[in-house]
Amino acid sequence: GNSVTQMEGPVTLSEEAFLTINCTYTATGYPSLFWYVQYPGEGLQLLLKATKADDKGSNKGFEATYRKETTSFHLEKGSVQVSDSAVYFCALLGSGGSYIPTFGRGTSLIVHP
Amino acid sequence: NAGVTQTPKFRIPKIGQSMTLQCTQDMNHNYMYWYRQDPGMGLKLIYYSVGAGITDKGEVPNGYNVSRSTTEDFPLRLELAAPSQTSVYFCASSYSRDSETAFFGQGTRLTVV
Repeated sequence: GNSVTQMEGPVTLSEEAFLTINCTYTATGYPSLFWYVQYPGEGLQLLLKATKADDKGSNKGFEATYRKETTSFHLEKGSVQVSDSAVYFCALLGSGGSYIPTFGRGTSLIVHP
Repeated sequence: NAGVTQTPKFRIPKIGQSMTLQCTQDMNHNYMYWYRQDPGMGLKLIYYSVGAGITDKGEVPNGYNVSRSTTEDFPLRLELAAPSQTSVYFCASSYSRDSETAFFGQGTRLTVV
């Protein structure tokens, strides 16, 4: 079946530091890949997505590139802000009939001023 | 533009009580899902529905029941609340099997005492 593996957190950074959160996946076919963000006390919101190999999703300064050869979708941001503190979930929507989103365990990001 | 609405936001049932978590969406989405989120464990799918009158089990359905009498509503019922069901519950919906985005409610924090 489909699965998503994320790096364990929490990730603690100072403001303006570079961020990478690793995500790898296992799926058949050609899944779509997503990053969701969950701010404290809220539900998940879509941050960015990529639907085919080599696509780059981007939003709010965050980027992730769909790498089929390494089955990865790592999240990056060049300069984090305190307001980026949240939990980030990598997810996939599989092709070939698997239409239920599969989520990683989430990675907590804490950004200090 | 309400999106996905969950009620209540918080609930503290006693062991053995039955209760229902409500979920409503106003986007005419066919697909709806219930997830539970345990600390450090990501999201686990409890039940899902692909349309009114059609439901199916997810990864962790034991102790729960659902119904889908209308497109808009997808309530989750706990028949006999147990401490193991203490969690945060998220309802989500999406438009179609090829949908690229799932929309989430704000969650219900359930503590069984």
